[in-house]
Amino acid sequence: GAGVSQSPSNKVTEKGKDVELRCDPISGHTALYWYRQSLGQGLEFLIYFQGNSAPDKSGLPSDRFSAERTGGSVSTLTIQRTQQEDSAVYLCASSSIYGYTFGSGTRLTVV
Amino acid sequence: AQSVSQHNHHVILSEAASLELGCNYSYGGTVNLFWYVQYPGQHLQLLLKYFSGDPLVKGIKGFEAEFIKSKFSFNLRKPSVQWSDTAEYFCAVTSATGGGNKLTFGTGTQLKVEL
Repeated sequence: GAGVSQSPSNKVTEKGKDVELRCDPISGHTALYWYRQSLGQGLEFLIYFQGNSAPDKSGLPSDRFSAERTGGSVSTLTIQRTQQEDSAVYLCASSSIYGYTFGSGTRLTVV
Repeated sequence: AQSVSQHNHHVILSEAASLELGCNYSYGGTVNLFWYVQYPGQHLQLLLKYFSGDPLVKGIKGFEAEFIKSKFSFNLRKPSVQWSDTAEYFCAVTSATGGGNKLTFGTGTQLKVEL
């Protein structure tokens, strides 16, 4: 597709369950980013993939969060044992030399 | 580490009023600067960016921003706002010399334009 695709668009999960969020970047974009958008907190960097380099995981808030990018394309963000404070919109972006494109995000609600 | 401050969290204006949203960043090196907009229910879109050259940058929809290096600022302006400018605005910075181009965002400014 022409844009960054994220699925699901909405996810409600029970506290303690694991969730997987998916991001399909723009074809040919070598860099992929995950951000978390919380009310009043702006956008918080989580993790960054660039080509075949080791990912920059410096923004992951705890070891319950992990992400992988398979084949240099699709990425999955996994949150284990979800907590209520994980409720947020999770945004994915991919970039080329021409700039970033953001997806519409996955709204995660932990109940 | 980089940081971005947006001092106005909520701004309410009447149509045709002038807009200025403040953005200050903290970083010791050369930076690239961005303003993004998020309209209600939509994804983040780029308004404008500064990499180098003329510090006065013009973007889409009549927006402009001025990079003042001595003040570490990149304020967003629009001479006359419209109701359709109601949105959340985010200032962001990346290092121009390393750091993997990851964007550091401010906390955002919610703009409401009243008819």
